[in-house]
Amino acid sequence: DTEVTQTPKHLVMGMTNKKSLKCEQHMGHRAMYWYKQKAKKPPELMFVYSYEKLSINESVPSRFSPECPNSSLLNLHLHALQPEDSALYLCASSPAGTGNHEQFFGPGTRLTVL
Amino acid sequence: DAKTTQPPSMDCAEGRAANLPCNHSTISGNEYVYWYRQIHSQGPQYIIHGLKNNETNEMASLIITEDRKSSTLILPHATLRDTAVYYCIVRLGMDSSYKLIFGSGTRLLVRP
Repeated sequence: DTEVTQTPKHLVMGMTNKKSLKCEQHMGHRAMYWYKQKAKKPPELMFVYSYEKLSINESVPSRFSPECPNSSLLNLHLHALQPEDSALYLCASSPAGTGNHEQFFGPGTRLTVL
Repeated sequence: DAKTTQPPSMDCAEGRAANLPCNHSTISGNEYVYWYRQIHSQGPQYIIHGLKNNETNEMASLIITEDRKSSTLILPHATLRDTAVYYCIVRLGMDSSYKLIFGSGTRLLVRP
């Protein structure tokens, strides 16, 4: 299995809702990432998990809460979002250890906040 | 802060080589250059990466100048399916978790 899966594909939520995005990989990767991509812009890194521990938080607002319950799964919990948070949310993973590794990206979840 | 600059758009004829330039004049000596592409807002797809030497794989070639201030991604025989946004990226960090800093991307249109 050489892919990263993300669910749901699309999500529409109100500003008072609580929802979660899910990302899964079964490649044995021990680093996982969340990116946010606005329309016609490049992806921007949000969070990095290494060995199930949060290693990088790019000053993301607390209404985004990541969670890595095990080495295969990465969640992004959403609460009290704003319309400007509407974007494509991408998950990625990469192998552990130093070296020249690529990140494998999932297809993304397209989020619309009303 | 963007570490790479790319032209916003390019086009080439099907079957011809597509040469996509990237400037990264502020890159540090241990920072790799990666290229990814993204089709129709799907997830980005890895193409190739390099540090100092030129690299080639089944998808493309990467030519890095000796001073490492710029590079060129070469798709040797472009097809219509190569129409996509191509990102030139700098990798920050060498351990298990690292950052990919995306450039603004070049939208490549391959013409029939």
